[in-house]
Amino acid sequence: DAKTTQPNSMESNEEEPVHLPCNHSTISGTDYIHWYRQLPSQGPEYVIHGLTSNVNNRMASLAIAEDRKSSTLILHRATLRDAAVYYCILGGGSNYKLTFGKGTLLTVNP
Amino acid sequence: SQTIHQWPATLVQPVGSPLSLECTVEGTSNPNLYWYRQAAGRGLQLLFYSVGIGQISSEVPQNLSASRPQDRQFILSSKKLLLSDSGFYLCAWRRTSNQPQHFGDGTRLSIL
Repeated sequence: DAKTTQPNSMESNEEEPVHLPCNHSTISGTDYIHWYRQLPSQGPEYVIHGLTSNVNNRMASLAIAEDRKSSTLILHRATLRDAAVYYCILGGGSNYKLTFGKGTLLTVNP
Repeated sequence: SQTIHQWPATLVQPVGSPLSLECTVEGTSNPNLYWYRQAAGRGLQLLFYSVGIGQISSEVPQNLSASRPQDRQFILSSKKLLLSDSGFYLCAWRRTSNQPQHFGDGTRLSIL
């Protein structure tokens, strides 16, 4: 399975933008880039996913590098409720699995 | 809309007892189904996944088994629980391999 690399932790201030990076240098042509987040004592929550083009939804934006070897999850205005572990995962095509790594623990300061 | 149900929310079991956790999905057909476990302070570990009735793939050899007796039902079982089986068990579904996974609320299992 192609792997991803994320910082262990990041900090942000409330109402400021947050850019969460993810490296995936061994990504294959059929791998989608998925982002999930997990709040304490809850199951992971889908955030966004994309293949090649940048994606926007009500929760966040996903910026994908032209060579697809890295991506960035953008939270436009962080709130205290955005404090969570964020997972960047590759999957799709013939690969039925999503392999969760350790993710990035995002702390949002008031 | 689709929903996923997982129960019970919490469970306390003695070592050596059997286990059965059930997960059902509503509002979709032929979903891919998944069982994960998360130990305290750790990441999610994929245990089993299923792409159809009776089709189970095991990711980690262990004391657990899974079954899919119906299209939208996924069951996690054990004949004799070990202390190391404690954790947060999560069921998830998705339509196809290119679609996002949607998780249930999880079962917190404590083994005494």
